[in-house]
Amino acid sequence: IAGITQAPTSQILAAGRRMTLRCTQDMRHNAMYWYRQDLGLGLRLIHYSNTAGTTGKGEVPDGYSVSRANTDDFPLTLASAVPSQTSVYFCATREGIEQFFGPGTRLTVL
Amino acid sequence: AQSVTQLGSHVSVSEGALVLLRCNYSSSVPPYLFWYVQYPNQGLQLLLKYTTGATLVKGINGFEAEFKKSETSFHLTKPSAHMSDAAEYFCAVSASGGSYRPTFGRGTSLIVHP
Repeated sequence: IAGITQAPTSQILAAGRRMTLRCTQDMRHNAMYWYRQDLGLGLRLIHYSNTAGTTGKGEVPDGYSVSRANTDDFPLTLASAVPSQTSVYFCATREGIEQFFGPGTRLTVL
Repeated sequence: AQSVTQLGSHVSVSEGALVLLRCNYSSSVPPYLFWYVQYPNQGLQLLLKYTTGATLVKGINGFEAEFKKSETSFHLTKPSAHMSDAAEYFCAVSASGGSYRPTFGRGTSLIVHP
């Protein structure tokens, strides 16, 4: 099935714990993105990757890290989760100027 | 630098009425402009986009938007609202050329009353 998968769908996490959100695509798009969506704030870019082996910081990168070992996978890691990282996280890819979004991961940090 | 302002966090219309969602942008270079729709518990999907050429852009589900450079606007319209149009709508801007990292507006929730 073509598209973007994200895992887990939702997660409740204790503050201070480490968490990795997974994103996998099968469309072979070079560019990938991680956004967080918060009520009233829209989508804010956390990190991006223009191609495998490269990553860059977005608008709100603090507390998050990413890696891009291959074209298909773009995991987002929270090294030590804090309550302010409670959000819905979306992974996206890009072909040309059009972005494609995954279904999202709802993360709650208590 | 680029930014997007969506006027109105909520817009309420009756079924069959005109839908108008407002978006103003700023960009230091010619922009690419987008409208995305998000249904509950789903990711965003592209409604329509403006790159160059014709300023009136038609998208899916009967939506259209007009790029007005003099007003720095890209408002989204639909002549007749359906119940199924109830969703969150996001306007986004990206600079043409160079690295592609769009900036999204805060979103407008469209409520459709029977």
